[in-house]
Amino acid sequence: EAGVAQSPRYKIIEKRQSVAFWCNPISGHATLYWYQQILGQGPKLLIQFQNNGVVDDSQLPKDRFSAERLKGVDSTLKIQPAKLEDSAVYLCASSLVWSWRRGGTGELFFGEGSRLTVL
Amino acid sequence: DQQVKQNSPSLSVQEGRISILNCDYTNSMFDYFLWYKKYPAEGPTFLISISSIKDKNEDGRFTVFLNKSAKHLSLHIVPSQPGDSAVYFCAAFSFGGFNAGGTSYGKLTFGQGTILTVHP
Repeated sequence: EAGVAQSPRYKIIEKRQSVAFWCNPISGHATLYWYQQILGQGPKLLIQFQNNGVVDDSQLPKDRFSAERLKGVDSTLKIQPAKLEDSAVYLCASSLVWSWRRGGTGELFFGEGSRLTVL
Repeated sequence: DQQVKQNSPSLSVQEGRISILNCDYTNSMFDYFLWYKKYPAEGPTFLISISSIKDKNEDGRFTVFLNKSAKHLSLHIVPSQPGDSAVYFCAAFSFGGFNAGGTSYGKLTFGQGTILTVHP
């Protein structure tokens, strides 16, 4: 079974430029996540989709970050304009839908990440 | 508000000995706790989990212990191998809320990670 695909793997831009990351989740996974991992820190959730609707974007800096998930499958995360502090690895993950009735561990499957360097 | 904390940034262990990684949490509403392992230039991969109603879960060389009264969990690796060298993240899963369509969703919160180095 194919895993979570992300591109590009690496991107170097100058501050105030824009960048976009793409993610293709595991087939059948309705929930998709974008995490930001700054060096030395744990992954921080930026946005969570269930199908093509947003369920949590409370930590997304909406003045510069945007994300969409068209048709409930692929997703793109955009940063415009980028700041130096946006340098991080952007991790996409997917999972089966978790429901209160069915329960479950909430295991997420991660892609390899997109490393962004802002100069 | 750091709800999941891993207070040891790094741990160094000799091959064959036990590695113990620790994690503390503040939210008593977490339902599951998970450990993820991350190698450089790769995404985190799931290692082992434990339900909040259990106090121990074992999978081969990996055992996770949960102490709910202390809001503390630990991951034991016995025996440690050089291939275990990686960053280990503790994560906690909880009910996140309901989406616009009325469907419930879960939420996963990560700790800062601990770098484990196992020396041959």
